[in-house]
Amino acid sequence: GENVEQHPSTLSVQEGDSAVIKCTYSDSASNYFPWYKQELGKGPQLIIDIRSNVGEKKDQRIAVTLNKTAKHFSLHITETQPEDSAVYFCAAGPPSGGSYIPTFGRGTSLIVHP
Amino acid sequence: ETGVTQTPRHLVMGMTNKKSLKCEQHLGHNAMYWYKQSAKKPLELMFVYSLEERVENNSVPSRFSPECPNSSHLFLHLHTLQPEDSALYLCASSPGLGSEQFFGPGTRLTVL
Repeated sequence: GENVEQHPSTLSVQEGDSAVIKCTYSDSASNYFPWYKQELGKGPQLIIDIRSNVGEKKDQRIAVTLNKTAKHFSLHITETQPEDSAVYFCAAGPPSGGSYIPTFGRGTSLIVHP
Repeated sequence: ETGVTQTPRHLVMGMTNKKSLKCEQHLGHNAMYWYKQSAKKPLELMFVYSLEERVENNSVPSRFSPECPNSSHLFLHLHTLQPEDSALYLCASSPGLGSEQFFGPGTRLTVL
């Protein structure tokens, strides 16, 4: 099955700095890579996703890049703000072998200091 | 009400109790999911339903029993739980299998 590694587990930045979270995956058949943000007391919310026919996607201060050859993808947040503080999860899927569901990384706790 | 809702938001139960978690989605989606979220662990997929039929069961103990009476509602029946079952239980839905998932706020479960 699919295996997703996510780094770092904790990331602390100053307001205004950029933040980068990286994920690697193992199944070359995976073609969908969503990112979720989970704020305290809430469920994860999809913030951006990318499919394997695209190398980069941007939405305002958030961007995701994908390198299918190396099997890694990254989330980039520019001009960070305190409200960006949350846990971010990457996911990859669907994997080959019959499962339809993306596999999640362990999460990155992002702390943005004012 | 829109999105995915879960009740109750918090639940404390003894090991001999029977309780149920409820999830409702107002998005017209065809797939629904139960996840377990424990501290310092990845999200653990428990059950998947598509068009009210269970399509995946990831080796979950029988003390957890799902029910999907229709495409808008999903239940998780709990019986004789253990303290290690304490976690945040998240429900999600998606338009179809493999597409983007929309999560509810979760039920924080504590087993004494």
